[in-house]
Formats: sequence, C-alpha cells, structure tokens
Amino acid sequence: DTGVSQDPRHKITKRGQNVTFRCDPISEHNRLYWYRQTLGQGPEFLTYFQNEAQLEKSRLLSDRFSAERPKGSFSTLEIQRTEQGDSAMYLCASSRRGSIGNYGYTFGSGTRLTVV
Amino acid sequence: AQRVTQPEKLLSVFKGAPVELKCNYSYSGSPELFWYVQYSRQRLQLLLRHISRESIKGFTADLNKGETSFHLKKPFAQEEDSAMYYCALSPLAGDKIIFGKGTRLHILP
Repeated sequence: DTGVSQDPRHKITKRGQNVTFRCDPISEHNRLYWYRQTLGQGPEFLTYFQNEAQLEKSRLLSDRFSAERPKGSFSTLEIQRTEQGDSAMYLCASSRRGSIGNYGYTFGSGTRLTVV
Repeated sequence: AQRVTQPEKLLSVFKGAPVELKCNYSYSGSPELFWYVQYSRQRLQLLLRHISRESIKGFTADLNKGETSFHLKKPFAQEEDSAMYYCALSPLAGDKIIFGKGTRLHILP
C-alpha cells in the first residue's frame, strides 16, 4: 500500500459538465475525508465517511456535489453542472482512530479541477 | 465556532535563526491540535500532534490553553524547512479537522 491515491491528478472541464473524482485510501483506514482547497486558503472540509456511511457533510457541499463510498473502500466525489467557482484542488485523506484519539490524516496528492 | 487563526501569511527567517509560527484557535472544549506541512511539489503531511508531545525535524509545539495557542517552534532554521505550514484542530471526540489558512515559511540563506 503506497498511501492515498487520487485520480485524475488534473481535470479541465467546461462549465456545465459533470466531473467525477476517485480516491483510494490506505487499506486499513476506515475513515475517508474530502476537502477542497483554493489559492491562499487552507483545506476546507467537505464530507467524511466511516466505512460506507457518510457521517457529515459541510454546508459548502451544495446539492450539485455528491460523494459515495459504496463498499467502504474507495470513494468518488461527483460535481454536477460545474461552475467556475468549483475550480479548486480537491483533496482526499484517510485516517484511523485509536484509543488515544485522532492520529491525523494521510492525504492524497489531490485532483486539481479547472472549470473553463 | 471552531476556528484556527494563523496571523502570518509569510514568514522569512535567516538560516540558523529561531523560527516561531503562530497559531491561535477558538474552540469551547479541549481540542486535539496538529501541525501539517506541505513542501514544494509534495502532498500535505502531518508534522506533529500535540497529544504525542514529540519533536519532529527539530520542531516542537506547546499547547497553551490559557492563550488558546499552539505555536510551532524550532531553535535553528534550516533551508529544507521552507514550506507551507498549516495549524489544525479537531474536537477531542471528533474526526473532522479544521485547518488554518497557512503560513509560508521562507528560510533565507
């Protein structure tokens, strides 16, 4: 296992098109997170899963955004009817939780989305 | 509201000089605190967690609950420390991590 993988690395799409990103977490991690990062900002939380259950969604996640983790392994993030404001780096991370609390995340390299 | 504030966007320090990256947080309970680092062309990675009380790459961070701060320090800066640094917090019993906007550390030769 080489860490958290994200695909594609870059995506350029026309406004109005749908896009889907994939994230493969570290296999022994049961928690998976999606973040968005724009220039000059820190990562902003979007949503997270414990196994296949989506436990929290940010208000940033409009109805055009949907995330799934069907078998508790990889996850997909879909954006429908993309807008220029969706242009950002989309980061995936995974983690495990131990008896002493949050071990912190392992991040993927991200998918950079450009909406033209 | 949960919030992490990093007051400096950019910090330039000469090689060999001490480094202090400031972080203040707003949270009503006892959070878990982290520092993440992103080197050029690399992914975001965990630098240290306050609960571990460890020193990584010569960096340490002390949680000051009275001042709600978690400043990152290193006594002697090295050129390879140049990177983007993010302070972050998570509720003690939670999972979501909230990040600050980051500070770019530039080590001058």
